Amino acid sequence: SQQGEEDPQALSIQEGENATMNCSYKTSINNLQWYRQNSGRGLVHLILIRSNEREKHSGRLRVTLDTSKKSSSLLITASRAADTASYFCATDDNYGQNFVFGPGTRLSVLP
Amino acid sequence: DVKVTQSSRYLVKRTGEKVFLECVQDMDHENMFWYRQDPGLGLRLIYFSYDVKMKEKGDIPEGYSVSREKKERFSLILESASTNQTSMYLCASSPTGGVEKLFFGSGTQLSVL
Repeated sequence: SQQGEEDPQALSIQEGENATMNCSYKTSINNLQWYRQNSGRGLVHLILIRSNEREKHSGRLRVTLDTSKKSSSLLITASRAADTASYFCATDDNYGQNFVFGPGTRLSVLP
Repeated sequence: DVKVTQSSRYLVKRTGEKVFLECVQDMDHENMFWYRQDPGLGLRLIYFSYDVKMKEKGDIPEGYSVSREKKERFSLILESASTNQTSMYLCASSPTGGVEKLFFGSGTQLSVL
């Protein structure tokens, strides 16, 4: 099954800086989602972008999707210590029934 | 808000034991899922269900079974726990009409000794 692959695996920045994470996938998709996971907890949905969309915003989050390159990026602007978490992209599988998650990017925002 | 509740945050079991992980959602969602999460591997789908008494295998069903007797409850069963099943287990649900936003429980960290 296809899998989203996040890059980088880990990212460490200072509070106030912007954080950019990338996701690549292998086959065509209907939509792509980003989730956040605080340490040892469940995942929380952040944003969904459909295959016919190129960019979406939600608060300090900006997601782009380039279907020609089979890639997406998540930008967190003006990061805060509370943004420290792991971030996962998820792509729908070939049947549109389930989502396949990548291994995630661990973001550390230092005060 | 949708609430997905997993019965235990931490669980320690012995090899060979039968283990039940329970998940309950309170928003009348049709779809429910069980994932396991291991470092560097992301989330891997074990089983999912689109309706009561219905189940489908995910990517790694070996060693697991599931039960969905009621719409709100989806149980994951380890028939004979093994050390390689030590992992974080995450339950999720979503409304019908295709899988879009997933709502996750807090997870159960299972250790098999």
